[in-house]
Amino acid sequence: DVKVTQSSRYLVKRTGEKVFLECVQDMDHENMFWYRQDPGLGLRLIYFSYDVKMKEKGDIPEGYSVSREKKERFSLILESASTNQTSMYLCASSVTVQSSGNTIYFGEGSWLTVV
Amino acid sequence: AQSVTQPDIHITVSEGASLELRCNYSYGATPYLFWYVQSPGQGLQLLLKYFSGDTLVQGIKGFEAEFKRSQSSFNLRKPSVHWSDAAEYFCAVVSTGTASKLTFGTGTRLQVTL
Repeated sequence: DVKVTQSSRYLVKRTGEKVFLECVQDMDHENMFWYRQDPGLGLRLIYFSYDVKMKEKGDIPEGYSVSREKKERFSLILESASTNQTSMYLCASSVTVQSSGNTIYFGEGSWLTVV
Repeated sequence: AQSVTQPDIHITVSEGASLELRCNYSYGATPYLFWYVQSPGQGLQLLLKYFSGDTLVQGIKGFEAEFKRSQSSFNLRKPSVHWSDAAEYFCAVVSTGTASKLTFGTGTRLQVTL
């Protein structure tokens, strides 16, 4: 089975702190994603990566950056956390198989509270 | 750009009753469509997906969905709901191209009464 692991399930950080959310997948997937989930808004894409050291902005990249130094690991960075970044963050990965479509697999999520 | 609409924010059904969750999409080409379920505090689990072929798709846990191009819909159904089906359900469409990103609807929360 595909495994997407988010190392931190629950975090509480102070305003202005630098925050790292780590995600690791074990299926050699090319694509990795970071989503943010808020009530009534569904999931919104922050950043994604389609290869090592490659990244693209999603729909809401402001206030975030990402790092992908190794294929299996995709990190989300909040340079200076703010209270409006309190949310659930979901990491996902997929393999690019255009002929049959891509199933995207999700981690269990990281609940971040910024106080 | 693609988009997904789930018009029902919250639905309540009795255990044993049938269920239909609505999903409408906007996409220029043939869409790849998904339904995911999320239990409280958990990540998303894939229920089923549609890429091509038969428009009635069977998924896990007794769910099915029907793709109707004329209505731009991909509604999720289950003939008899169990209390354990209480969760939040998300419809999504994937874009082709780089990394094939998923665009989600805002979700429908299902409550099951005994």
